[in-house]
Amino acid sequence: NAGVTQTPKFRVLKTGQSMTLLCAQDMNHEYMYWYRQDPGMGLRLIHYSVGEGTTAKGEVPDGYNVSRLKKQNFLLGLESAAPSQTSVYFCASRPSNQPQHFGDGTRLSIL
Amino acid sequence: EDQVTQSPEALRLQEGESSSLNCSYTVSGLRGLFWYRQDPGKGPEFLFTLYSAGEEKEKERLKATLTKKESFLHITAPKPEDSATYLCAVQAPAAGNKLTFGGGTRVLVKP
Repeated sequence: NAGVTQTPKFRVLKTGQSMTLLCAQDMNHEYMYWYRQDPGMGLRLIHYSVGEGTTAKGEVPDGYNVSRLKKQNFLLGLESAAPSQTSVYFCASRPSNQPQHFGDGTRLSIL
Repeated sequence: EDQVTQSPEALRLQEGESSSLNCSYTVSGLRGLFWYRQDPGKGPEFLFTLYSAGEEKEKERLKATLTKKESFLHITAPKPEDSATYLCAVQAPAAGNKLTFGGGTRVLVKP
């Protein structure tokens, strides 16, 4: 999936640790999204941004924070990781009136 | 609340055996219905957008159709490389035109 890069690809954390997931897009897209994907539950929206400096809550925002200081980057933070946050996290971006483009995900395990 | 249900959850096909995947939805103010393909360890890859009942789109062996309550993804004479998880999503005006995803259909095509 050229254009949307997620860092890191894999990470293992202990309960209570904090970390930041980075999403970078080089397509000058206005809109950016963070999803989590869990078996049997599909992709669920965590937070989203409609432009630089703006963020908003999605369907499952509790335990996460986000920032979009630069148009090309959308950061997802876990302040105090919990086992329930073990998941695969996907970032997506899109221009106006176009489909979302997804990155290849970050696989996060919380022990 | 927007809802998307995909069936079946899994589908095993012999190469050349055509079949259809179903996506049933309820949404307030449909902006579009999207089909994505997801390969293991990868992010979703965009296939089609359908906007109104009666609309059809085709790409190689795939054909997507839309009614007011559901969409079908028809796979004609599938090949092993069509093996993937197919995701359906609806777009609503709220929350930055967010996508609500179904749980997906895992398709395995055997040679």
